[in-house]
Amino acid sequence: TQLLEQSPQFLSIQEGENLTVYCNSSSVFSSLQWYRQEPGEGPVLLVTVVTGGEVKKLKRLTFQFGDARKDSSLHITAAQPGDTGLYLCAVDRYQAGTALIFGKGTTLSVSS
Amino acid sequence: NAGVTQTPKFQVLKTGQSMTLQCAQDMNHNSMYWYRQDPGMGLRLIYYSASEGTTDKGEVPNGYNVSRLNKREFSLRLESAAPSQTSVYFCASSESRYSNQPQHFGDGTRLSIL
Repeated sequence: TQLLEQSPQFLSIQEGENLTVYCNSSSVFSSLQWYRQEPGEGPVLLVTVVTGGEVKKLKRLTFQFGDARKDSSLHITAAQPGDTGLYLCAVDRYQAGTALIFGKGTTLSVSS
Repeated sequence: NAGVTQTPKFQVLKTGQSMTLQCAQDMNHNSMYWYRQDPGMGLRLIYYSASEGTTDKGEVPNGYNVSRLNKREFSLRLESAAPSQTSVYFCASSESRYSNQPQHFGDGTRLSIL
């Protein structure tokens, strides 16, 4: 059983469109991280959310942590080709602060 | 700004050969990690080192060994490579073992086992 379910698995859109990707679980987490990975590179942290209901914005990206701290969403406004990549969510693996477990990711392709 | 450096970037091995993947970080981080990334499987933790002198198994440790050589360096060894170990391997580091700390990743080692 996958601890984190990310959806959709793949998303292909045109420049200028809006999109939302999701990271869901049946477990409660103390914090959740979102990473973006570009082809040929390692993941890079975008944001960490720690409070239920928290909303964080990073330019055109809006991250929300669910009220019950079981899920999160990432919304991109007016997507650009530079947003293309693999979006990964990650949570505390053992609920004791030892390591992260990652979802399988959403692969986003934005064409101009 | 080197961050996390992995060597080599690419490697092809024959089944049964051994190899060590090297990782070094220059951020004075306490914790280091090794992951493998396979299509459709996401990132899976192989081993981690919460602090210098300690190592622990992750989700998929079989067939691998690690050494935390010092605070900067964390190596991953394949003693007898198998085709199932064909993957992209990422090393990461973080300031501490706590989950709200960001992990900084290297650019990966692409390993093929024939």
